[in-house]
Amino acid sequence: EAQVTQNPRYLITVTGKKLTVTCSQNMNHEYMSWYRQDPGLGLRQIYYSMNVEVTDKGDVPEGYKVSRKEKRNFPLILESPSPNQTSLYFCASSLSLTSPGELFFGEGSRLTVL
Amino acid sequence: GQSLEQPSEVTAVEGAIVQINCTYQTSGFYGLSWYQQHDGGAPTFLSYNALDGLEETGRFSSFLSRSDSYGYLLLQELQMKDSASYFCAAPDDAGKSTFGDGTTLTVKP
Repeated sequence: EAQVTQNPRYLITVTGKKLTVTCSQNMNHEYMSWYRQDPGLGLRQIYYSMNVEVTDKGDVPEGYKVSRKEKRNFPLILESPSPNQTSLYFCASSLSLTSPGELFFGEGSRLTVL
Repeated sequence: GQSLEQPSEVTAVEGAIVQINCTYQTSGFYGLSWYQQHDGGAPTFLSYNALDGLEETGRFSSFLSRSDSYGYLLLQELQMKDSASYFCAAPDDAGKSTFGDGTTLTVKP
């Protein structure tokens, strides 16, 4: 089954404790991206990757890191989480972003930073 | 950068037709996508317009006018299960993908 898998789905942590949210896709997609979703603000792009070893900042990259060492994986790293990073996070992938412009999303990871 | 504007809320009755508009200001515009999201679940892809005109997929249709920087999603024969949030999104030629803030559709009996 074609899917994007995120882990963990739910996490409560404390300020400053490094954490990683994993994302894996089994569709051989080139493009992968991370979004955060906060009430009333829609989906805001954090980082994206057009291919292996190629990553770029989205609209809200501060406080986050990513890596793309393999095509299927695109982990999101919070080196020192803060309460303003409490949010719902989605990973997404696409065969090619601009054709046909279809993103496949993971189920989401709800993060709470105390 | 890019920005997309859509209405925050729309209400309609079962069986009706509703149109959700999206206007955009972008650089490097490639096309307009639409996604549906139920109650904090994963967004799911509905349609993508790369060219001007109407794309039809079952009860859903999407339209794009590049000259007007405008698009819309048309939902016909509304059902209760269509109550959800709908997002327009625009990828650009640099790889960024910007989403509108979403339109909450409420379908009433």
